[in-house]
Amino acid sequence: QLQLQESGPGLVKPSETLSLTCTVSGGSISSSSYYWGWIRQPPGKGLEWIGSIYYSGSTYYNPSLKSRVTISVDTSKNQFSLKLSSVTAADTAVYYCASVPGIAVAFDYWGQGTLVTVSS
Amino acid sequence: QSALTQPASVSGSPGQSITISCTGTSSDVGSYNLVSWYQQHPGKAPKLMIYEGSKRPSGVSNRFSGSKSGNTASLTISGLQAEDEADYYCCSYAGSSTFVFGTGTKVTVL
Repeated sequence: QLQLQESGPGLVKPSETLSLTCTVSGGSISSSSYYWGWIRQPPGKGLEWIGSIYYSGSTYYNPSLKSRVTISVDTSKNQFSLKLSSVTAADTAVYYCASVPGIAVAFDYWGQGTLVTVSS
Repeated sequence: QSALTQPASVSGSPGQSITISCTGTSSDVGSYNLVSWYQQHPGKAPKLMIYEGSKRPSGVSNRFSGSKSGNTASLTISGLQAEDEADYYCCSYAGSSTFVFGTGTKVTVL
């Protein structure tokens, strides 16, 4: 069974870059059986898909965030990462990483989530 | 890519059945039978309840079922229990390896 864990700073200043890492255990991040995604949830609001990365390295982003988002994979550490540039208070949210199994188009395993606050 | 539309809240008494709707467009819900549903309790990560419209992951109660008609997907919870009180989100594949979530529905067990 996969386990995912987000890590990174809980406080980021406006205009700076938010950087988070998701560490995967219980399976290989380079397996073709899965691909990986980031989802966020502002306090008291709904879920928003940020983007996904395939084992091949191909990336897909939410059009509304595409200009500011970069998702990458580090197979040597079994991790994938999120970078969101030029953040504002509107980017304050709980950020989740999740897995998508190749046999089903859905987010089946989720990390516990990490709150990132954008404030000076 | 606009969020899928869900009712803000749905309520029911224990033992009753409730249905949550999820309305999208012909570009997402209407084009693919790839809607998933997630249950989220306060302070917790979402949990996958239904995938590909009507399939249940191992371990999910058969009281949860999913369906779709046109641009609207639905989640039905039968035999409502106190533990079902939570927020529920739908999510649809929207083509080109992108996803869109619903606005979320708060389920209250009376």
